[in-house]
Amino acid sequence: AQSVTQPDIHITVSEGASLELRCNYSYGATPYLFWYVQSPGQGLQLLLKYFSGDTLVQGIKGFEAEFKRSQSSFNLRKPSVHWSDAAEYFCAVGAIDSGYALNFGKGTSLLVTP
Amino acid sequence: KAGVTQTPRYLIKTRGQQVTLSCSPISGHRSVSWYQQTPGQGLQFLFEYFSETQRNKGNFPGRFSGRQFSNSRSEMNVSTLELGDSALYLCASSLARGTDTQYFGPGTRLTVL
Repeated sequence: AQSVTQPDIHITVSEGASLELRCNYSYGATPYLFWYVQSPGQGLQLLLKYFSGDTLVQGIKGFEAEFKRSQSSFNLRKPSVHWSDAAEYFCAVGAIDSGYALNFGKGTSLLVTP
Repeated sequence: KAGVTQTPRYLIKTRGQQVTLSCSPISGHRSVSWYQQTPGQGLQFLFEYFSETQRNKGNFPGRFSGRQFSNSRSEMNVSTLELGDSALYLCASSLARGTDTQYFGPGTRLTVL
């Protein structure tokens, strides 16, 4: 069955520290991968996406993600976290055999401490 | 360009009532998808409309329906509301079907009492 797993429900990081949010997927077809961020009371904002090509993808707000086919992972990274990065982060996967409907992970809540 | 807009932003209904939510996509976008977000189930795909036709449907009961108009605006309807329908309903638009990026609106917060 198709699935998207974000193993960490909550993560706390000190401001200025590096960040890595994990995402693992299980898909039969070639997946299309996304990271979205949601602030309280807001909709989802796209951070970055991977369709094909270079497996290291750059996004907005200094985020990047690396697609590793052998590990079925698409982890999100940021070298130095800012207090404004505190939010909920969602990994999402789409594929042709699901009509490209996005399948979301449960999300990781990021808390940034001073 | 204006983003995806959803109206109303907040709704309170009682069990058994029905509700209609509206979504206006980004200008030029022809595909509209709807998602339900709840604390327990997370984000779940409801359905997708393209060129006024439903192209894809998630695993939701028939009480959930939608439609798309010729100007790509979309509405979703939930009939015979249940307490469990309380959720944030998100609309997303994309230029076309397939791998085009989906851009999300702010959502409609529905509370069923």
